Amino acid sequence: EAGVTQFPSHSVIEKGQTVTLRCDPISGHDNLYWYRRVMGKEIKFLLHFVKESKQDESGMPNNRFLAERTGGTYSTLKVQPAELEDSGVYFCASSQVFGSRSADTQYFGPGTRLTVL
Amino acid sequence: GQNIDQPTEMTATEGAIVQINCTYQTSGFNGLFWYQQHAGEAPTFLSYNVLDGLEEKGRFSSFLSRSKGYSYLLLKELQMKDSASYLCAVRSGNTPLVFGKGTRLSVIA
Repeated sequence: EAGVTQFPSHSVIEKGQTVTLRCDPISGHDNLYWYRRVMGKEIKFLLHFVKESKQDESGMPNNRFLAERTGGTYSTLKVQPAELEDSGVYFCASSQVFGSRSADTQYFGPGTRLTVL
Repeated sequence: GQNIDQPTEMTATEGAIVQINCTYQTSGFNGLFWYQQHAGEAPTFLSYNVLDGLEEKGRFSSFLSRSKGYSYLLLKELQMKDSASYLCAVRSGNTPLVFGKGTRLSVIA
C-alpha cells in the first residue's frame, strides 16, 4: 500500500511569490491533515479535512494560506503571497476513519521543505 | 492550553536500553502517540496509548499514566538505525495532534 506522498519535496521562492504544495493521502483515508514545523519548534496543526470538507482550520496562520481538497482525494495548500516567516517543513497526514481507536492513527508524508528568501 | 515536554537530546550505547519521557498537560485527554522521525523523512507511527499501562511492540514499548500526565517510550537492544528524533503527541477530544518538540536520540557504538 502506497503511503502519503507530497510534492514538491523542496521549494525555494522569493518573498511575495506564490507556492502550491500538494498532498496525496493513503487511498481510502477520509481524514487529511496539514501540519507545519518551523525551525526549532514543534510540529503544529494547520488544517483538517474530512473528505472534501474543512473540519477544523483553527491552525491556519492567516488568509494568505488556502487549502483545498476538491473531490475528497488529494489536497493542495497554497501560500500567496509568501512571507519569510512561512519557511518551514509542511507535513501532510491522513487517517482512515475518525473516532476509531486504531483506525485514527495518522500516517505522515515526508513533508515539503519551503524556503522563502 | 496544552503543553508537552520531552528532553531535547539523549545519547545511548548500541545494545543498551533507553527510556524517553514525555509529560503533558491537557484537558479531555484522548490518546498519546509516539512517532519516530529520521532526518528528512516522514514521522513514522510507533505506538498509541489511551489507557494506563504498558503497550509492547517488539523492541519498542510505550507506557502511559493518565493521572500523572506521563508517558515513556522504551527502546531495547538499541541499534544504530534507532538514531532519530522521537516525537510525543497528544490528542484531546476530537482535536488534531499536539506535538512535543521531539527528542533527538543518538546511538553510539
